[in-house]
Amino acid sequence: SQKIEQNSEALNIQEGKTATLTCNYTNYSPAYLQWYRQDPGRGPVFLLLIRENEKEKRKERLKVTFDTTLKQSLFHITASQPADSATYLCAVDTGRRALTFGSGTRLQVQP
Amino acid sequence: GAGVSQSPSNKVTEKGKDVELRCDPISGHTALYWYRQSLGQGLEFLIYFQGNSAPDKSGLPSDRFSAERTGGSVSTLTIQRTQQEDSAVYLCASSPGTDYKEGQYFGPGTRLLVL
Repeated sequence: SQKIEQNSEALNIQEGKTATLTCNYTNYSPAYLQWYRQDPGRGPVFLLLIRENEKEKRKERLKVTFDTTLKQSLFHITASQPADSATYLCAVDTGRRALTFGSGTRLQVQP
Repeated sequence: GAGVSQSPSNKVTEKGKDVELRCDPISGHTALYWYRQSLGQGLEFLIYFQGNSAPDKSGLPSDRFSAERTGGSVSTLTIQRTQQEDSAVYLCASSPGTDYKEGQYFGPGTRLLVL
């Protein structure tokens, strides 16, 4: 079965810097890869989806890359703000409709 | 507009009791999912409903877990004879249909604690 690996250690960066989070998957290349944001006590919120034939996707200050050779996606937040502090989850399709999620990486942006 | 709602927000129960968790998806969304999230863990898929098709139950961890979706809208997840390892946050999500573009919309979850 597919396994998603995200850095379990929190990422601490200074406001204004670019945050880069990593998502690695172990088996077959998914058709889609999604990124979600989760705040404490809340459900995940969908941010971006990238397809296997797309190298990069952007949305405002967010950028996602998808490297099927490395089996890796990178999630970037440019000009980071304290309000970006949250846990970011990577998820891939399983060939069915359900998603397989990573355990997430917590981002802390210091003012 | 209204998002996905879940009730109750918190549930404390004793081992061996049955519990029912409710999910109201976004109106018009044909797909509905249940996941659970244990502390510090990723989301674990439980069950998926799409329209009137037979649900995908492949993620249910045991036969103590069941779910139904009435009228293509509200869904109830039932856990019978609860065990302490069932303690987790149970998340419901919905999506418009067969297009992945918009991702899944999650509710706030039900925090279940089995004593």
